[in-house]
Amino acid sequence: DGGITQSPKYLFRKEGQNVTLSCEQNLNHDAMYWYRQDPGQGLRLIYYSQIVNDFQKGDIAEGYSVSREKKESFPLTVTSAQKNPTAFYLCATESLQGADTEAFFGQGTRLTVV
Amino acid sequence: GNSVTQMEGPVTLSEEAFLTINCTYTATGYPSLFWYVQYPGEGLQLLLKATKADDKGSNKGFEATYRKETTSFHLEKGSVQVSDSAVYFCALSDLEGGSEKLVFGKGTKLTVNP
Repeated sequence: DGGITQSPKYLFRKEGQNVTLSCEQNLNHDAMYWYRQDPGQGLRLIYYSQIVNDFQKGDIAEGYSVSREKKESFPLTVTSAQKNPTAFYLCATESLQGADTEAFFGQGTRLTVV
Repeated sequence: GNSVTQMEGPVTLSEEAFLTINCTYTATGYPSLFWYVQYPGEGLQLLLKATKADDKGSNKGFEATYRKETTSFHLEKGSVQVSDSAVYFCALSDLEGGSEKLVFGKGTKLTVNP
């Protein structure tokens, strides 16, 4: 099946721990994005990458890190520096070929700090 | 920078009622406009889109027209169903700082009662 796979669906983390969220795609899309969703705040961009081995900070990058070592994968690490990590995290991809593009989303990972 | 403002919810309607969710945008360039839908516990799915002024996007009975003169992209449906209950996000895609970026509104929760 073509698509975006986020794992795990639910994740629990103790305070002070780093945790990595996985995002894999087989759509051959150039761009990948990580968003954070909190109730009443919509989606906020954390990091994005438009090419392998390159990525840019979004609006709320503090306390997060990413890597883009291969086109298919864009893992997000939530570090202990992120003060309020409990949220729903969404990964998205977009083909940058052609003018008519759209973003595709994974099913999300719900992270809870316990 | 670019931004999207959409009608705050929640919106509660009876089945077969008419739906409008307002969306206005601010953009420096010529953005593409989107409506995404999110069902409970899931990621976002593209509902419809429009890439230039006066384009009308439509899908599943929903429509939205790209109005450059009023910088709006209001979502409408003539007769809603219970299955339309979800959160709806208006978004724009535009070049910002040399990169293609998606900017989302805060979302509008719609509940349709039988």
